[in-house]
Amino acid sequence: AQRVTQPEKLLSVFKGAPVELKCNYSYSGSPELFWYVQYSRQRLQLLLRHISRESIKGFTADLNKGETSFHLKKPFAQEEDSAMYYCALSGTSGSRLTFGEGTQLTVNP
Amino acid sequence: NAGVTQTPKFQVLKTGQSMTLQCAQDMNHEYMSWYRQDPGMGLRLIHYSVGAGITDQGEVPNGYNVSRSTTEDFPLRLLSAAPSQTSVYFCASSLKTGPIEQYFGPGTRLTVT
Repeated sequence: AQRVTQPEKLLSVFKGAPVELKCNYSYSGSPELFWYVQYSRQRLQLLLRHISRESIKGFTADLNKGETSFHLKKPFAQEEDSAMYYCALSGTSGSRLTFGEGTQLTVNP
Repeated sequence: NAGVTQTPKFQVLKTGQSMTLQCAQDMNHEYMSWYRQDPGMGLRLIHYSVGAGITDQGEVPNGYNVSRSTTEDFPLRLLSAAPSQTSVYFCASSLKTGPIEQYFGPGTRLTVT
């Protein structure tokens, strides 16, 4: 079985502060991890995936297989980063995505 | 391309009523799926389809039916609505199976009284 846990339902930081959204997973094989974001009144969209090893909008995420984590980080948060963030896992069996509970990030001015 | 479209945007049902949530995509994607989004529970997979004529159950399929007669459309039917089905429903699609990006529709907010 695959499982994704996001321990923080709400996260509030000030503009310019570093931000880290935590994601832990449970999966017996080699997982593919994603971060999806949902801005206010917009549809869910892909932010980044671990396989691409890219930085999107200043966000990065490193897959740590030893700690089974895929935390999302940004060194300097911006107000426009305020959104709901979901960590998701896809196993080797196909496209079925398992989502975490989501973290609502608020960046205060 | 319109991407993934969903209708209606909002719906209120009485307990016991049935209805169909529509989902369509114009990207020729093989894989389509339905999720429900509930506070504190994230998105949970209801049903999915890997191609026309093929559907399978996800994590929370009870009370819902699906069919996939064409590549483009993937309707979700609520057979006898219950208050526990009050939720926001999202349809998603991707080009094929595998760990690739899924494209989401705008969602349908359903309230069952």
